[in-house]
Amino acid sequence: RKEVEQDPGPFNVPEGATVAFNCTYSNSASQSFFWYRQDCRKEPKLLMSVYSSGNEDGRFTAQLNRASQYISLLIRDSKLSDSATYLCVVNKGGSQGNLIFGKGTKLSVKP
Amino acid sequence: GAVVSQHPSRVICKSGTSVKIECRSLDFQATTMFWYRQFPKKSLMLMATSNEGSKATYEQGVEKDKFLINHASLTLSTLTVTSAHPEDSSFYICSARQDSYASTFGSGTRLTVV
Repeated sequence: RKEVEQDPGPFNVPEGATVAFNCTYSNSASQSFFWYRQDCRKEPKLLMSVYSSGNEDGRFTAQLNRASQYISLLIRDSKLSDSATYLCVVNKGGSQGNLIFGKGTKLSVKP
Repeated sequence: GAVVSQHPSRVICKSGTSVKIECRSLDFQATTMFWYRQFPKKSLMLMATSNEGSKATYEQGVEKDKFLINHASLTLSTLTVTSAHPEDSSFYICSARQDSYASTFGSGTRLTVV
């Protein structure tokens, strides 16, 4: 089983649509979780951290289910500018604390 | 917020030459920086963890003699790709972490070896 798994998509949605991405991780000892956004040929940029209680930032809502080892990202009222690849990222923790990246889910928002 | 500067953004070099990539944390001190590589349509893969004042820790399968990492100060880490070959062509990205677990990434370096 891969450490972090995501549906690669692409998700092609019209403007204004609501879209949800899912991600699963294999290491139950993982300590922190993030969604990053990566535009074509650019570096990843942090979109939001994911907390057990769930968190919302404007049109974006992230959820974490530790029991199921599952993370989600919901985007409401999609904009053209939301088109990008969304990376699910897990920090395994420990002294090195490196990040494990999913392959990303590609979103394309159409007019 | 935390800013990480990476230079150069793009480099084309001949096979057999060496290329140095710099990663700087501009407004914070980073005792640890990370170097990643990303092939087209693939996920970011950690190559090594760069520790200020000590040797880097390399991931399995990454040749430490080929990818030389130097973290001489709290704001600068360098990755040198030695004797580059076309298969080393990739997108190299560094990241640094301030206080939180989230990382800030440099803008990446697109290396093409011809």
